[in-house]
Amino acid sequence: ELKVEQNPLFLSMQEGKNYTIYCNYSTTSDRLYWYRQDPGKSLESLFVLLSNGAVKQEGRLMASLDTKARLSTLHITAAVHDLSATYFCAVVSLEKTSGSRLTFGEGTQLTVNP
Amino acid sequence: GAVVSQHPSRVICKSGTSVKIECRSLDFQATTMFWYRQFPKQSLMLMATSNEGSKATYEQGVEKDKFLINHASLTLSTLTVTSAHPEDSSFYICSAGGSYYGYTFGSGTRLTVV
Repeated sequence: ELKVEQNPLFLSMQEGKNYTIYCNYSTTSDRLYWYRQDPGKSLESLFVLLSNGAVKQEGRLMASLDTKARLSTLHITAAVHDLSATYFCAVVSLEKTSGSRLTFGEGTQLTVNP
Repeated sequence: GAVVSQHPSRVICKSGTSVKIECRSLDFQATTMFWYRQFPKQSLMLMATSNEGSKATYEQGVEKDKFLINHASLTLSTLTVTSAHPEDSSFYICSAGGSYYGYTFGSGTRLTVV
């Protein structure tokens, strides 16, 4: 059974600082997604990572994937208040019995303080 | 891009009544629809996977007679919460896709059972 773990679960940071959110998963996968969720809202797609060594950047966020370590990171550079949200990673298992469903991490609640 | 329209966005119902939630894919055909439930401050939990024209596959612990899923066409999937109780109050999100092109999430439905 695929398990996805994120850490930290809660992150309070100051504006202008850098930080990294980690996402570990337990079985082989060929796709990893990062999503943002604002309170009361659905998910907003941030990144999809498809191969080992993949790196994607959008604004102050950069995501990377190491399939050998089964690890993805979401790096935040010079945080601003608008980045406050909950961030989820989600993984598609390669196990046939899992179909194409996503398994989500617990989420990281990020608060950026002035 | 691909859009999934989910309605209603909020619904309040009395205990014992049924509520139907609709998800429509607006500009593509959704062969597979995933239904999630999210309790406050928690991650998304997959309830069931539905494929057009066939019976839904429910996750362990999800009552299929209580959460009726219909996926009769390639553009419409519905979730009916039957005989709702306060413990069914939650945020329900649908998601279409599962191909290599990713997943498209509906905007979510906040269900409150009183």
